[in-house]
Amino acid sequence: DQQVKQNSPSLSVQEGRISILNCDYTNSMFDYFLWYKKYPAEGPTFLISISSIKDKNEDGRFTVFLNKSAKHLSLHIVPSQPGDSAVYFCAAGFQKLVFGTGTRLLVSP
Amino acid sequence: NAGVTQTPKFRVLKTGQSMTLLCAQDMNHEYMYWYRQDPGMGLRLIHYSVGEGTTAKGEVPDGYNVSRLKKQNFLLGLESAAPSQTSVYFCASSMGLAAYNEQFFGPGTRLTVL
Repeated sequence: DQQVKQNSPSLSVQEGRISILNCDYTNSMFDYFLWYKKYPAEGPTFLISISSIKDKNEDGRFTVFLNKSAKHLSLHIVPSQPGDSAVYFCAAGFQKLVFGTGTRLLVSP
Repeated sequence: NAGVTQTPKFRVLKTGQSMTLLCAQDMNHEYMYWYRQDPGMGLRLIHYSVGEGTTAKGEVPDGYNVSRLKKQNFLLGLESAAPSQTSVYFCASSMGLAAYNEQFFGPGTRLTVL
């Protein structure tokens, strides 16, 4: 039973445009949500997070939105850059993290 | 400051062979984790440790054993490897267990079981 789902395995965006990555979760006990970024042959690295008491968190070009009633979060990257091309995992939990399946983002020049 | 390191980077095993994956962290973190990453499955927690001398099962623990004899090291063992254990294995560490504690990941070990 997949508690955290990323329904889009891949996303292609042109440089300068907005990238929107989506994530859905089923467990209402989750109180913290994170996005990790992974380049090939490297481990995931933390990107941005949001607590369940907030609905938006912004860090430079990256913004995460949380809709608790819909059990949905999204990551917006504006403007997208070729260096953003990577696999993005969302994760959720209150203790141990549960990771989604990942979305491969390709930003073309 | 190397962060989290994993040894080896690649390994090919035959079915039934055993091996140990080593994870080391130099951040004095109490919590350490072993994940496996498979296509279409994301990262799944195998085992984790909340401190030296303690281990606990994660989501997919069968076929694996772990040990945390020293705070900085977390070992993952495969006693009798099976093709279903072909995967990329990631070790991670964090200051605390709560989800808001950032997990720092190693570069991964790619294991193939023939």
